[in-house]
Amino acid sequence: KQEVTQIPAALSVPEGENLVLNCSFTDSAIYNLQWFRQDPGKGLTSLLLIQSSQREQTSGRLNASLDKSSGRSTLYIAASQPGDSATYLCAVSDGNTDKLIFGTGTRLQVFP
Amino acid sequence: KAGVTQTPRYLIKTRGQQVTLSCSPISGHRSVSWYQQTPGQGLQFLFEYFSETQRNKGNFPGRFSGRQFSNSRSEMNVSTLELGDSALYLCASSLNRLTTEAFFGQGTRLTVV
Repeated sequence: KQEVTQIPAALSVPEGENLVLNCSFTDSAIYNLQWFRQDPGKGLTSLLLIQSSQREQTSGRLNASLDKSSGRSTLYIAASQPGDSATYLCAVSDGNTDKLIFGTGTRLQVFP
Repeated sequence: KAGVTQTPRYLIKTRGQQVTLSCSPISGHRSVSWYQQTPGQGLQFLFEYFSETQRNKGNFPGRFSGRQFSNSRSEMNVSTLELGDSALYLCASSLNRLTTEAFFGQGTRLTVV
């Protein structure tokens, strides 16, 4: 059974720091991995999608990597800003169950 | 282009009632999935529809049902509401099921009293 874990569960950093959020999954049979951002009480905003054949994707200050063989992905946020404060979720498109399976998220707070 | 639209945004219902939530996917997207999000359980998969057919279902009781129309709009229905059904219900659309990017709506906040 696919399980997705995110570490750390919460993170509080001063503005300007570079951050790494971690996501691990137990079964490498995935179609892709997606990172989302969720603001309190809101829906999910897609940040980056990495296909299973890709190693990384970049969008602005965000860079996500994927190592399918080891079941790991990292989301790198450069020069963090208070506006980056949110919960970050990773999800894998599981090839065995045909479902999008989510991690429990990392709650990020960036203070001025 | 317009994103995923969910209506209503907020609902308050009484135990035992039923409720219908609506989701309009991004134009051209044929896959619609529904998720329940609660503080204790996180995001849990409810079901997925593709071209009007239910392709997958999560571990929820039969009180939870859904359907998809020919224009890809989807509805989910919860009958005989329980207090534990209080949650944020999220809808996601994608072009071609699991191999393409999923886009989420703002959700419907359901409160059962």
